[in-house]
Amino acid sequence: EAGVAQSPRYKIIEKRQSVAFWCNPISGHATLYWYQQILGQGPKLLIQFQNNGVVDDSQLPKDRFSAERLKGVDSTLKIQPAKLEDSAVYLCASSDSGAGGTPYEQYFGPGTRLTVT
Amino acid sequence: GIQVEQSPPDLILQEGANSTLRCNFSDSVNNLQWFHQNPWGQLINLFYIPSGTKQNGRLSATTVATERYSLLYISSSQTTDSGVYFCAAINTGTASKLTFGTGTRLQVTL
Repeated sequence: EAGVAQSPRYKIIEKRQSVAFWCNPISGHATLYWYQQILGQGPKLLIQFQNNGVVDDSQLPKDRFSAERLKGVDSTLKIQPAKLEDSAVYLCASSDSGAGGTPYEQYFGPGTRLTVT
Repeated sequence: GIQVEQSPPDLILQEGANSTLRCNFSDSVNNLQWFHQNPWGQLINLFYIPSGTKQNGRLSATTVATERYSLLYISSSQTTDSGVYFCAAINTGTASKLTFGTGTRLQVTL
């Protein structure tokens, strides 16, 4: 079974530029998550999708970050314009979900390491 | 929201030694996972263990949900066990938001 795929693996941009990350979840997983991991910290949830609907985006800086999951499969996360503090690893995860939204095990992709200079 | 604390923050072991990593959480959970983040940044699933005990080779984990803690045991450690170990939990009734601890950084030396 193929895991969660992400691209690119690395990206270096200047501040005020824009960047986009792509994620393909495990086949059949209805729930998709984007996490941000700053060096030395644990990952923090940015946004959660259930199929193509947003479940939780309370931690997403909506003035500069946006995400979409068209057709309930692939997802893109965009930052525009980027700031120095956005330098981090962006992790995508997916999980199956049971009746009533029972949370199942989450599986993570390899991440995209973003450096903003 | 739920608070997740891990101890110790850093651990250095000689190859072959055993260790116990602890995860405390501040509220009831319906999901608890242990991950190993390797030097390349990949989060590798170790255990999905909201309660009870599981074993996988040299690793085992126990979660006592009523007392709000989980333990990860590593026996006969190897240099490939080095990296950061994260505990993450989902608070009961809060959909699927995983809250991560700050991790335990393990270094296994020869």
